[in-house]
Amino acid sequence: QVQLVESGGGVVQPGGSLRLSCAASGFSFGTYGMHWVRQAPGKGLEWVAFIRYDGRDKYYADSVKGRFTISRDNSKNTLYLQMNSLRPEDTAVFYCAKDHAARPSNYFDPWGQGTLVTVSS
Amino acid sequence: EIVMTQSPATLSVSPGERATLSCRASQSVGSNLAWYQQRPGQAPRLLIYGASTRATGFPARFSGSGSGTEFTLTISSLQSEDFAVYYCQQYNNWPITFGQGTRLEIK
Repeated sequence: QVQLVESGGGVVQPGGSLRLSCAASGFSFGTYGMHWVRQAPGKGLEWVAFIRYDGRDKYYADSVKGRFTISRDNSKNTLYLQMNSLRPEDTAVFYCAKDHAARPSNYFDPWGQGTLVTVSS
Repeated sequence: EIVMTQSPATLSVSPGERATLSCRASQSVGSNLAWYQQRPGQAPRLLIYGASTRATGFPARFSGSGSGTEFTLTISSLQSEDFAVYYCQQYNNWPITFGQGTRLEIK
């Protein structure tokens, strides 16, 4: 079955960097767009970034543009999120999520279990 | 950016009764609207896409309707496992945006 497993979360100081990974299995990773979505503690969902199946198109939320970079390695079935210049307001559980269909769909199914990023001094 | 507004913020309903959740978009999103269910401590699950197509694994008591700017999620006869937070999401325009969620709680 489709499985997405995030890793790389942790505690980082403001201004610091962190790289998240999402290991995918159970589907043809290189044919699906992928997303990162985050959820601050006790808050709602915020879409963060998207990457096309071949890595050639990327989109970002304004709140992370210029600080976060989404990438993928289709040979390793892995999605990444490089996060620089982190701020306290970036504290959240970060989920990776698969596009529902191989053609661009931009709704998410399934989601990983999430990894917690805490930005604090 | 398209702003998604869900109402009410919290809905208290008794098991076996019907629940109706609303989602409004600040501009038309056509039928490019999805709903997600999130239980405590779990990741969200896709529930509805294309405004009205039920995702795999969800029973027929869940239904979605609407187009343009007004959308509704209806749960016809609430079961204990349905009490959760529900989010709508538009995918018609970048950036993708979510509503703030409706918490469905047991009355």
